[in-house]
Amino acid sequence: EAQVTQNPRYLITVTGKKLTVTCSQNMNHEYMSWYRQDPGLGLRQIYYSMNVEVTDKGDVPEGYKVSRKEKRNFPLILESPSPNQTSLYFCASWTSGYTDTQYFGPGTRLTVL
Amino acid sequence: AQSVAQPEDQVNVAEGNPLTVKCTYSVSGNPYLFWYVQYPNRGLQFLLKYITGDNLVKGSYGFEAEFNKSQTSFHLKKPSALVSDSALYFCAVRVVPNTGGFKTIFGAGTRLFVKA
Repeated sequence: EAQVTQNPRYLITVTGKKLTVTCSQNMNHEYMSWYRQDPGLGLRQIYYSMNVEVTDKGDVPEGYKVSRKEKRNFPLILESPSPNQTSLYFCASWTSGYTDTQYFGPGTRLTVL
Repeated sequence: AQSVAQPEDQVNVAEGNPLTVKCTYSVSGNPYLFWYVQYPNRGLQFLLKYITGDNLVKGSYGFEAEFNKSQTSFHLKKPSALVSDSALYFCAVRVVPNTGGFKTIFGAGTRLFVKA
């Protein structure tokens, strides 16, 4: 089954404790992206990647890191989480080009205490 | 600045009635417009998109959207609403930053309630 998977689905952590949220897709998509969803703000792009070893900032990259060492994986790293990073995070992937549809993972709900 | 606006936080409609969820956009160049739906505890699912051509786009689950260039709008419509259509709907536009690459800008979302 074609899908985007994220782990963990739920995470409660404390300020300053490094964490990684994994994202993996099995559709051989070139593009991948991370979003955060907050009430009243919709989805905001954190980082995206156009291919292996090619990443770029989205609208809200501060406090986040990403890497793309393999085509299928695009982990999101929070080196020192803070409470304002409490949010619902989505990973997405798509083939290429401006017109392609994005496929979304199920989401990761992160709470930073 | 490039942006997407969904002016209604919530839309209420009775089952069987037509529904409209509004979206307006502000982008430079040609807009690539999308609608996604989010059900509780799920990721976003694609409904339809406008790239070029016919202004009326048909999508999944009986939804359609009308692209209006002069009004910079891309409203989502359905002739007869179902209770199962109740969900959170997002309008999105694909843009090309001056720095290259591209990104997607989402509206804040509109919650649709369909009452039986």
